[in-house]
Amino acid sequence: EADIYQTPRYLVIGTGKKITLECSQTMGHDKMYWYQQDPGMELHLIHYSYGVNSTEKGDLSSESTVSRIRTEHFPLTLESARPSHTSQYLCASSNGDRVDYGYTFGSGTRLTVV
Amino acid sequence: QKEVEQNSGPLSVPEGAIASLNCTYSDRGSQSFFWYRQYSGKSPELIMSIYSNGDQEDGRFTAQLNKASQYVSLLIRDSQPSDSATYLCAVNTGGFKTIFGAGTRLFVKA
Repeated sequence: EADIYQTPRYLVIGTGKKITLECSQTMGHDKMYWYQQDPGMELHLIHYSYGVNSTEKGDLSSESTVSRIRTEHFPLTLESARPSHTSQYLCASSNGDRVDYGYTFGSGTRLTVV
Repeated sequence: QKEVEQNSGPLSVPEGAIASLNCTYSDRGSQSFFWYRQYSGKSPELIMSIYSNGDQEDGRFTAQLNKASQYVSLLIRDSQPSDSATYLCAVNTGGFKTIFGAGTRLFVKA
């Protein structure tokens, strides 16, 4: 079944650690996104990609990096985790060229930095 | 002014009633409009898309778009307790830029 997968589902990590959040999709979508969402708040775009070797920064990207070496894989890396990074991280993908047909979201990673 | 505004709610309706959720946006060049449903602790799920003025119906859901008033709405007919969730309005202003509202919490009372 075509889907989008995120691992881990939950992560508790100490300050200063390097972490990578994984995201993979089997739908063949070219566009992929990382969003951050705090409870009751808007989704904020962290990074996005239009295809292999194409990545761009969103609004909250300054402390993280992404890579897109394969169409299906779009990992997010925090080089040095801080308590301010505690949040829900959502990966999404979409199809369409000039028109956006809406996103399919993964199940999310809930990150807690202690 | 936020780019996409929604009333945070909660909006409470009895089972079987029509729930009406509203959203306004600021960018007149916006091209695509979406409604997502998000259950507590879960990720958003796309339920409706609308691209031109008027109504778009899918089962119990109707999305309405008025570009002149920069207004999008979602109607849920015959509301069920399982419809209780947060509904996110999202607006694509072109290319990668999709802006999400903070969502409206809906409670459907049995």
